[in-house]
Amino acid sequence: KNQVEQSPQSLIILEGKNCTLQCNYTVSPFSNLRWYKQDTGRGPVSLTIMTFSENTKSNGRYTATLDADTKQSSLHITASQLSDSASYICVVRAGGATNKLIFGTGTLLAVQP
Amino acid sequence: DGGITQSPKYLFRKEGQNVTLSCEQNLNHDAMYWYRQDPGQGLRLIYYSQIVNDFQKGDIAEGYSVSREKKESFPLTVTSAQKNPTAFYLCASSPRLAGTAYEQYFGPGTRLTVT
Repeated sequence: KNQVEQSPQSLIILEGKNCTLQCNYTVSPFSNLRWYKQDTGRGPVSLTIMTFSENTKSNGRYTATLDADTKQSSLHITASQLSDSASYICVVRAGGATNKLIFGTGTLLAVQP
Repeated sequence: DGGITQSPKYLFRKEGQNVTLSCEQNLNHDAMYWYRQDPGQGLRLIYYSQIVNDFQKGDIAEGYSVSREKKESFPLTVTSAQKNPTAFYLCASSPRLAGTAYEQYFGPGTRLTVT
């Protein structure tokens, strides 16, 4: 069964600290993996998208990694800001005939001053 | 939120009434999608459309209907047949439907509450 699991479910950190969010997937065949940021009550906004051959991609203070062998991805946030408080969603696109997006349930991050 | 607008932001309806959620995009994208988001669950696909006058059921289409008469518009009707309609509804679009690295752009969402 195609699944995307994220951990932790929620996380509280102090402003200025770093954090890492995890994503494990069992999607096959794999096409690409995306990380989205969703502010409360808003639509998701794309942070990064990685294909099979990419193992690191950065977007400002956000760095995503992908290990296609172990089917794991992580999103590292550096020097967190209050505006980073949001839900972070890992999404895997299944390739081939399936060709659909499989969404994780998200990690809710709260950055406190 | 890109060039996708959803209206209204909040919608309240009584049980048994049909309600239509609006989604408009000015990105000239061919493909459009409707998702439902519930607490503790990942987004679930309701319907999608690859091109005008064509649409396909997603994973949870029962109790919903859509139309795609114009490229820029993809309204979703939540019918009285939908057993648990209260949710956050998200519309999205992408240049093409194909499973490449095409980005999906999401609208701001509509929170529907049915009592």
